[in-house]
Amino acid sequence: AQSVTQPDIHITVSEGASLELRCNYSYGATPYLFWYVQSPGQGLQLLLKYFSGDTLVQGIKGFEAEFKRSQSSFNLRKPSVHWSDAAEYFCAWGGGGNKLTFGTGTQLKVEL
Amino acid sequence: NAGVTQTPKFRVLKTGQSMTLLCAQDMNHEYMYWYRQDPGMGLRLIHYSVGEGTTAKGEVPDGYNVSRLKKQNFLLGLESAAPSQTSVYFCASSYSNLVGIFGQGTRLTVV
Repeated sequence: AQSVTQPDIHITVSEGASLELRCNYSYGATPYLFWYVQSPGQGLQLLLKYFSGDTLVQGIKGFEAEFKRSQSSFNLRKPSVHWSDAAEYFCAWGGGGNKLTFGTGTQLKVEL
Repeated sequence: NAGVTQTPKFRVLKTGQSMTLLCAQDMNHEYMYWYRQDPGMGLRLIHYSVGEGTTAKGEVPDGYNVSRLKKQNFLLGLESAAPSQTSVYFCASSYSNLVGIFGQGTRLTVV
């Protein structure tokens, strides 16, 4: 079965430091890949998506992600984290009949 | 405001009771989804719909039923609630490009 793995359950970074959240997927064909963010008590908000083309995609709030087929990865990055970025981040894979498969999430804590 | 609206936002049920969660979207989206979110498990798809009058099972459909009688509404029903159904439920809708717009969630506790 297709799966999405986020190996880091919790990550803590200092404000102003760079961030990289890892995501790996297990599926052979070119996937549709997404990153969502969830603030406490809120629904999920789309940060960015990759369908095809340029493997480096830009999203909202200064986030970017890079699709690497050779590593089956779609890692999320931000050069300088702000305290308001503290939230839970979900990677998702799409392609199995118009539905998304989510990873288990990475909780980001930002130290001031 | 355009978006996905879920009602209710909170609910406590006793074991064996039934209830219906309502999801409404005003974006004319064809696709609608119900997910449940549990700690450490991400979001798991319960049921989904690819258009008015259609429904399909997702990853964890047991104990739930759904209906899509109108394009803008997608109902999730629990016929006989169990403690294992304590969760946060999210509805989402999308066009065919999989970009889901999520509701704010319904926190359900079954005691």
